[in-house]
Amino acid sequence: GDSVTQMEGPVTLSEEAFLTINCTYTATGYPSLFWYVQYPGEGLQLLLKATKADDKGSNKGFEATYRKETTSFHLEKGSVQVSDSAVYFCALRKNAGGTSYGKLTFGQGTILTVHP
Amino acid sequence: EAGVTQFPSHSVIEKGQTVTLRCDPISGHDNLYWYRRVMGKEIKFLLHFVKESKQDESGMPNNRFLAERTGGTYSTLKVQPAELEDSGVYFCASSLPDRAGGNTIYFGEGSWLTVV
Repeated sequence: GDSVTQMEGPVTLSEEAFLTINCTYTATGYPSLFWYVQYPGEGLQLLLKATKADDKGSNKGFEATYRKETTSFHLEKGSVQVSDSAVYFCALRKNAGGTSYGKLTFGQGTILTVHP
Repeated sequence: EAGVTQFPSHSVIEKGQTVTLRCDPISGHDNLYWYRRVMGKEIKFLLHFVKESKQDESGMPNNRFLAERTGGTYSTLKVQPAELEDSGVYFCASSLPDRAGGNTIYFGEGSWLTVV
């Protein structure tokens, strides 16, 4: 079945450091890929997404590129802030005819803590 | 516009008791999903409603879990009787009908369940 693997955490960085959180997936077909974020005390929020190979999703300074050849969707940010401290989840969803549908399959989540 | 709302936000119950979680999706969202995250693990899919029909319930762990969506609006997830391993965060999510290209899934803040 479909699966998502994220790098183990927790990740601890100083403010303004570069962030990479690795994500690889296994799926049939060509899924849509997502990064969700959960800030302390809040629900899951969509951070960014990419629906086909070579697409780059971006939001709030975060970027991730859909790499079909390596089945990866790594999350990056050039300069993290304390407010980026949260749990980050990589996820996939089946895609057909340009529309994703059905359930999301999540990775285990990566805790990010950013210190001043 | 109101987001996905869940109730209760936190619940502590004794093993063997019953708990009912409620989810109100975003208005007009035919798709409603339940997910669960056990501490430190990945977020796992439980089931998917399209309006009042169960589209996919492959993730329901056992027959102690019962989900309903009468009238295709709000949904409830009942756990009866609760066991210690049921502790975790239960997320509800909703999205527009797939035919409308609504491929963003919106999550609630989660219902934190602790079984003691």
